[in-house]
Amino acid sequence: EVQLLESGGGLVQPGGSLRLSCASSGLTFGRYAMSWVRQAPGKGLEWLSGISGSGGSTHYADSVKGRFTISRDNSKNTLHLQMNSLRAEDTAVYYCAKDGGALVDTVSLDYWGQGTLVTVSP
Amino acid sequence: QSALTQPASVSGSPGQSITISCTGTSSDVGSYNLVSWYQHHPGKAPKLMIYEVNKRPSGVSTRFSGSKSGNTASVTISGLQAEDEADYYCCSYAGSRTPYVFGTGTKVTVL
Repeated sequence: EVQLLESGGGLVQPGGSLRLSCASSGLTFGRYAMSWVRQAPGKGLEWLSGISGSGGSTHYADSVKGRFTISRDNSKNTLHLQMNSLRAEDTAVYYCAKDGGALVDTVSLDYWGQGTLVTVSP
Repeated sequence: QSALTQPASVSGSPGQSITISCTGTSSDVGSYNLVSWYQHHPGKAPKLMIYEVNKRPSGVSTRFSGSKSGNTASVTISGLQAEDEADYYCCSYAGSRTPYVFGTGTKVTVL
């Protein structure tokens, strides 16, 4: 059974940094692209970033480009999201999701973690 | 890349059918047969219900069906059940620069 478990969320001040992780099990991790998606309080889902199975290609939404960096360690079956220059509007539950293929191009996010809450506040 | 447009809410009685629309542009929904739909119960992980416009993952009820016409995709839930009450989001491929864009979300209420 595929399982994804996010960690690293918490309270951070505006301008601060946080690194989220997503530990996976039950799949050949390096075969699949992965994405980060967030949901701000009272808002909808927002796709943030994706990375190919090999880690060779990365993609970002305009809202986080230049501030967030996605990476993966296939030897440890783990996905990361480094978040810098955090703003109040980055407050959200952050989910990692597995793609249906090796590239960020299927739009089939078939497994999701339970999410980790990030709160950006003084 | 702007969010795809969905109605804020749709409701129906048990046993009825409802349809949720998802309107994009010729740069996303209209250009690719790569639209998926997600069911999201608050506090839980979103669940993939439809992919590639009209395909159902294993285990998803046949009461869920998808379609697309031009720049608008739709999902229909037939034989509405209480457990279908949730938020629903569409998602489309939008090109290699910013590949995925979600819809604004629709709250489905079973009356």
